[in-house]
Amino acid sequence: LAKTTQPISMDSYEGQEVNITCSHNNIATNDYITWYQQFPSQGPRFIIQGYKTKVTNEVASLFIPADRKSSTLSLPRVSLSDTAVYYCLVGKGGSTLGRLYFGRGTQLTVWP
Amino acid sequence: GAGVSQSPRYKVAKRGQDVALRCDPISGHVSLFWYQQALGQGPEFLTYFQNEAQLDKSGLPSDRFFAERPEGSVSTLKIQRTQQEDSAVYLCASSPTGTGDSGNTIYFGEGSWLTVV
Repeated sequence: LAKTTQPISMDSYEGQEVNITCSHNNIATNDYITWYQQFPSQGPRFIIQGYKTKVTNEVASLFIPADRKSSTLSLPRVSLSDTAVYYCLVGKGGSTLGRLYFGRGTQLTVWP
Repeated sequence: GAGVSQSPRYKVAKRGQDVALRCDPISGHVSLFWYQQALGQGPEFLTYFQNEAQLDKSGLPSDRFFAERPEGSVSTLKIQRTQQEDSAVYLCASSPTGTGDSGNTIYFGEGSWLTVV
């Protein structure tokens, strides 16, 4: 399993853009990069997934450089409700689909 | 229901008691997973089912932990002779895909909070 490294915590203010970078130096060729968000007392929630270059959805953008050894989750104009733990995961389908390494994630705190 | 449903939501068990935690995955989802999340930590993998087959149970911490999914839908995680170190949130997740599919989007329930006293 490819393990990941991300900052333990980040702080931001409402309306700012937040970028959380994750390192995954031993990512395998067919690994995908997925980000999850977790609020207290809830299970993790899928945010975005990508393989290379840039992916954007209604919630976030994911930037993946050519070497794929890192990725950056970008949250535009955060609000107080974006305060949560964000996990970067690397894995692929097949029998390893569910055996994902979450790590401790990044605690994002958004201040008014 | 629309999402993964887990019950009970909260459980307090006396040390040595057996507990059973239930998971109703999203209808039609092939894959089902159990994770354990200790306070302040990320979820840690316990076991994985594809339909009724338990394909990976390497994350189960001891032989006191047992999971089943007899009809390929509902799953139960059983913990025998609970210990204080078993106190954690037990998360169930499901995915529509099975072996050989790409990507790894899985959908989590809200978890069952187990406290062993």
